[in-house]
Amino acid sequence: DTGVSQDPRHKITKRGQNVTFRCDPISEHNRLYWYRQTLGQGPEFLTYFQNEAQLEKSRLLSDRFSAERPKGSFSTLEIQRTEQGDSAMYLCASRQGWRDTQYFGPGTRLTVL
Amino acid sequence: SQQGEEDPQALSIQEGENATMNCSYKTSINNLQWYRQNSGRGLVHLILIRSNEREKHSGRLRVTLDTSKKSSSLLITASRAADTASYFCATIPAGGTSYGKLTFGQGTILTVHP
Repeated sequence: DTGVSQDPRHKITKRGQNVTFRCDPISEHNRLYWYRQTLGQGPEFLTYFQNEAQLEKSRLLSDRFSAERPKGSFSTLEIQRTEQGDSAMYLCASRQGWRDTQYFGPGTRLTVL
Repeated sequence: SQQGEEDPQALSIQEGENATMNCSYKTSINNLQWYRQNSGRGLVHLILIRSNEREKHSGRLRVTLDTSKKSSSLLITASRAADTASYFCATIPAGGTSYGKLTFGQGTILTVHP
């Protein structure tokens, strides 16, 4: 079990730039989640994949956000035209089938200047 | 949106003391989970309690669930400095199509002084 990995761990960008984050789930986990966490708050759900299908998106996920999970393996989260309000920790989690426990990656901390 | 509130928002204790954190939620649940987050890192799953369970133990952790009051508590016994972290409760709603997404509380920051 190598755990969930995320890359990069930190990203500093200027307002208006595009950024892309990657998540590699635990290999046998077919369910993948993205969450966003701002300072002093609990994580908030962004989107969910079952295999390669994106089955749910939060209203938090504006048109500037897009996520993919090609071939049901790794996932990417892209933010276009970043805004200062996008500054947050972006967390990825995965779980296996019917099991309820989600395993979280270390997160990508985004700072938009 | 956040599911509910956690109480207290911050807790400071001495090593060896017990720490109790409470969580309230708003909707009927399938299960409630507790996670720990060390500063600036990802979350680690601690324990899960299902809606038909009232109490569960894991090592130094004890979780209770009162579905009539929509509340849960996490007790950490004989705390250690390494327990210093933020603790979050998270719920999965009953019924419907939630796809297992977690709805988190705002967390309790626990500081254990050596």
